[in-house]
Amino acid sequence: KQEVTQIPAALSVPEGENLVLNCSFTDSAIYNLQWFRQDPGKGLTSLLLIQSSQREQTSGRLNASLDKSSGRSTLYIAASQPGDSATYLCAVGGIQGAQKLVFGQGTRLTINP
Amino acid sequence: SQTIHQWPATLVQPVGSPLSLECTVEGTSNPNLYWYRQAAGRGLQLLFYSVGIGQISSEVPQNLSASRPQDRQFILSSKKLLLSDSGFYLCAWIPQADYGYTFGSGTRLTVV
Repeated sequence: KQEVTQIPAALSVPEGENLVLNCSFTDSAIYNLQWFRQDPGKGLTSLLLIQSSQREQTSGRLNASLDKSSGRSTLYIAASQPGDSATYLCAVGGIQGAQKLVFGQGTRLTINP
Repeated sequence: SQTIHQWPATLVQPVGSPLSLECTVEGTSNPNLYWYRQAAGRGLQLLFYSVGIGQISSEVPQNLSASRPQDRQFILSSKKLLLSDSGFYLCAWIPQADYGYTFGSGTRLTVV
């Protein structure tokens, strides 16, 4: 059974810093990995999708990497801004039919002005 | 364009009452559809998924059921709500393989 762990559970940093959020998964047989952002009381917004054959994806100040063999992914946020404050969720898509996602518990990020 | 609609946004229901949450997708055909629940302080749990009309798979035994009467419509139901059914319910879809999930805006259900 796939298990996804995100460390740290919470992170508070001053504005302008570069930061890394970590995600680990127990079963390396994955279809893809997706990073989401969730604002309080809101739905999930997709940030980056990495297919199992890819090593990284970039969008603006965000860069996500994937190392299937070690069961790890990182989300790098450059030059953090107060608007980046949210909960960041990592989710792994399984290779068994229907691409069901297994989520980590999330990292609650606070960027202080 | 492809969009997902989920309603209502907020719902307060008494214990024992029925439930119907609806999710519809526009701009695609034969999507995979999913219902997730996020309980307070807990992660997202997959409840049901559907790969086609009338095809429903349940992930966990519970007081809820799902139906897919049309290609782009996914409904979450209960005949009698329990206090433990409270939570944030999210519908999601993918158009086909190699695409990421898109989530709806969610329904916050409080059972009182």
